[in-house]
Amino acid sequence: DVKVTQSSRYLVKRTGEKVFLECVQDMDHENMFWYRQDPGLGLRLIYFSYDVKMKEKGDIPEGYSVSREKKERFSLILESASTNQTSMYLCASSFTGLYGYTFGSGTRLTVV
Amino acid sequence: GESVGLHLPTLSVQEGDNSIINCAYSNSASDYFIWYKQESGKGPQFIIDIRSNMDKRQGQRVTVLLNKTVKHLSLQIAATQPGDSAVYFCAENPAGQNFVFGPGTRLSVLP
Repeated sequence: DVKVTQSSRYLVKRTGEKVFLECVQDMDHENMFWYRQDPGLGLRLIYFSYDVKMKEKGDIPEGYSVSREKKERFSLILESASTNQTSMYLCASSFTGLYGYTFGSGTRLTVV
Repeated sequence: GESVGLHLPTLSVQEGDNSIINCAYSNSASDYFIWYKQESGKGPQFIIDIRSNMDKRQGQRVTVLLNKTVKHLSLQIAATQPGDSAVYFCAENPAGQNFVFGPGTRLSVLP
């Protein structure tokens, strides 16, 4: 069964901490994405990557960065966590732009 | 589990009835569409897709209808079951670009 695996289901971090959210896919997909999901706002794209070492800003990149050193792994970094970054974070991958996304189970991040 | 969306439109149906969930998409250049199901505390799961050269596609208990004239997509679930309770949202793909996701509809199945 193909998978997108997010390393943590739940995280609690303190304001100002540097936070790493990890995502690994085993489908040899080129494209990987990070979204956040908030009540009433739906899925909002933070960053995406179409290839190793490539990254593009999505709709809400402020306060975030990403790293893609290997094809299967896409990391989301919160440089200095703030309470307004409390959210559900979803990682997704796809083979190309012509195919749908496979999502991970999500990481519920709470910043206190 | 977590709330996926506190302010979502909600559709309540009796167990065994058919459900119809609607989605208006925005980009007339979109040529590929997907319906996702998201259960509480989980990531979205692919249900069914359709490309713009079709107007109907059927899966197991699900049918997707596409009306390009009015930019409308619908998901029909036959004989709705308690396990169908979830948030459903559509996604449109404008010619190979990133998908754009709709806000979602919460389906509640009544016993």
